[in-house]
Amino acid sequence: NAGVTQTPKFQVLKTGQSMTLQCAQDMNHEYMSWYRQDPGMGLRLIHYSVGAGITDQGEVPNGYNVSRSTTEDFPLRLLSAAPSQTSVYFCASKKGTETLGEQYFGPGTRLTVT
Amino acid sequence: AQTVTQSQPEMSVQEAETVTLSCTYDTSESDYYLFWYKQPPSRQMILVIRQEAYKQQNATENRFSVNFQKAAKSFSLKISDSQLGDAAMYFCAYRSAFQGAQKLVFGQGTRLTINP
Repeated sequence: NAGVTQTPKFQVLKTGQSMTLQCAQDMNHEYMSWYRQDPGMGLRLIHYSVGAGITDQGEVPNGYNVSRSTTEDFPLRLLSAAPSQTSVYFCASKKGTETLGEQYFGPGTRLTVT
Repeated sequence: AQTVTQSQPEMSVQEAETVTLSCTYDTSESDYYLFWYKQPPSRQMILVIRQEAYKQQNATENRFSVNFQKAAKSFSLKISDSQLGDAAMYFCAYRSAFQGAQKLVFGQGTRLTINP
């Protein structure tokens, strides 16, 4: 049981490039989400999904796309990277039926956009 | 919209002493959940403790306990007998108990240093 995995751990992009951050979980969790962490601002929700085929926007969705074709995977796409997207990105999952259930976080991806 | 505020960007404490981290939140909901997460230098987010708003009893997990004041919308974390391994960023987080709500709202974090 690997929990929540994220790849890559580190990435450097040039402005305008696109890329996909991968997230997978093997706990059969319905709920998955993406957060970004910036200094002094805590974690902010980018997008989330309550199940395969269902996604919705969080607090800071601009510049990011998501899709959820399977229960296990929830990739985050940066369409045209900008320096403002330099951040640490966390994927999380949770069993949807547990109201007080714990959110499990991946190890994070540190992204730098130059 | 709900907000969470941690007014202490940094705290330090001597090893074996007790330290309290502050958290306040703003919500119009009556039922919700509150959490404290620890983020060590490894970046991994680790759940420390959680509290259900409708429970008056303060949650406790070994050396970690909370002081939950619902009327004041305050949720502080007390760490007793501080250990070097407690050094980390600590985040307070809120989640609505509304059916289907899953999103966490985080505070800005408090960096805790343990002095040997």
